[in-house]
Amino acid sequence: QQPVQSPQAVILREGEDAVINCSSSKALYSVHWYRQKHGEAPVFLMILLKGGEQKGHEKISASFNEKKQQSSLYLTASQLSYSGTYFCGTQGYGGATNKLIFGTGTLLAVQP
Amino acid sequence: NAGVTQTPKFRVLKTGQSMTLLCAQDMNHEYMYWYRQDPGMGLRLIHYSVGEGTTAKGEVPDGYNVSRLKKQNFLLGLESAAPSQTSVYFCATPGLPYGYTFGSGTRLTVV
Repeated sequence: QQPVQSPQAVILREGEDAVINCSSSKALYSVHWYRQKHGEAPVFLMILLKGGEQKGHEKISASFNEKKQQSSLYLTASQLSYSGTYFCGTQGYGGATNKLIFGTGTLLAVQP
Repeated sequence: NAGVTQTPKFRVLKTGQSMTLLCAQDMNHEYMYWYRQDPGMGLRLIHYSVGEGTTAKGEVPDGYNVSRLKKQNFLLGLESAAPSQTSVYFCATPGLPYGYTFGSGTRLTVV
């Protein structure tokens, strides 16, 4: 079952903050976050692992609550370049497949 | 350059026709995945492979077949295309050091 993302869409002015949530009904080993620009492929932002470890390559932060099977992505002081659709991808336990189940996405529009 | 290459980038099929989408990766990874993306539904896993000669079903496998004859290639086949298979198809493989690396996608329209 796909994880549920909220909100579905958000409009911001430059400099404002946003939080995107991802909730799963299954126990999670890790959560990935991706951003997709219109007409392009998704691009990896960050991975959050069981135990609280975070690994990413952009100045965007996130949290992972293993007990609640939830993750949140924090976008602070948003820039125009943050616009796009954000997806969480969840990895459960069982089998060494690394397969991800993605949420339905959150459309973020940052306006000048 | 390391990455994932998908061909073709665009295709229009008539209902009932068949086609094969090719995904090639030069990252030497064992795992490869096929996803489809539809408006409002995010990315849904069709099939995946954990190594040469292996394939497994994902969330939405019906109407598709796959083959992994070589480690670097993962093929997605549509034997008899239906309008419901109109979608954007993405191939992916685990990247370095983390996350997935996606191909640029194939935009398929079935009329």
